[in-house]
Amino acid sequence: GENVEQHPSTLSVQEGDSAVIKCTYSDSASNYFPWYKQELGKRPQLIIDIRSNVGEKKDQRIAVTLNKTAKHFSLHITETQPEDSAVYFCAAPITNAGKSTFGDGTTLTVKP
Amino acid sequence: GAGVSQSPRYKVAKRGQDVALRCDPISGHVSLFWYQQALGQGPEFLTYFQNEAQLDKSGLPSDRFFAERPEGSVSTLKIQRTQQEDSAVYLCASTIGGLAEAFFGQGTRLTVV
Repeated sequence: GENVEQHPSTLSVQEGDSAVIKCTYSDSASNYFPWYKQELGKRPQLIIDIRSNVGEKKDQRIAVTLNKTAKHFSLHITETQPEDSAVYFCAAPITNAGKSTFGDGTTLTVKP
Repeated sequence: GAGVSQSPRYKVAKRGQDVALRCDPISGHVSLFWYQQALGQGPEFLTYFQNEAQLDKSGLPSDRFFAERPEGSVSTLKIQRTQQEDSAVYLCASTIGGLAEAFFGQGTRLTVV
């Protein structure tokens, strides 16, 4: 089955700095790569996703890059704000977005 | 409804008790998934339905876990003879199908004492 590794497990940045979280996956059949944000006690929510036919996707301060050859994809958050503080999960489903293998999460803390 | 709804939000069960967790997906969503999330970890896949058919139950940890979706909408995850290691947040997610956004419910936090 799919194996997803995510790092770092914790990340602390100053407000305004950039944050980068990386995930590697094992199954080359994976072709959809979502990132979820989960605030304490709340549900995971999709923040950005990328499909295997593109290498990068941006949405305001958030971007995701994909390297299919190396089997890794990264989340980039620029100009971080305190409200970006949360746990971020990557996922790598093979055929169905719901049946995903999730990373163990990265706890991002943005210090004012 | 506007989103995926789960009930109850919190459940405390005595060891050995049976519990039933409910998920009401987004109307029209074909696919429904159950996940188990332990503290500090990512969601772990339990089982998957496409309409009323349970297509994959490979993640269910034991035969004490049972899920159903008899009419292709609401789903129930049942845990029989609960044990302390069953304590976790149980998340339900639904999608329109295929590689589309998965919408999660708020989860049910189960504590077995």
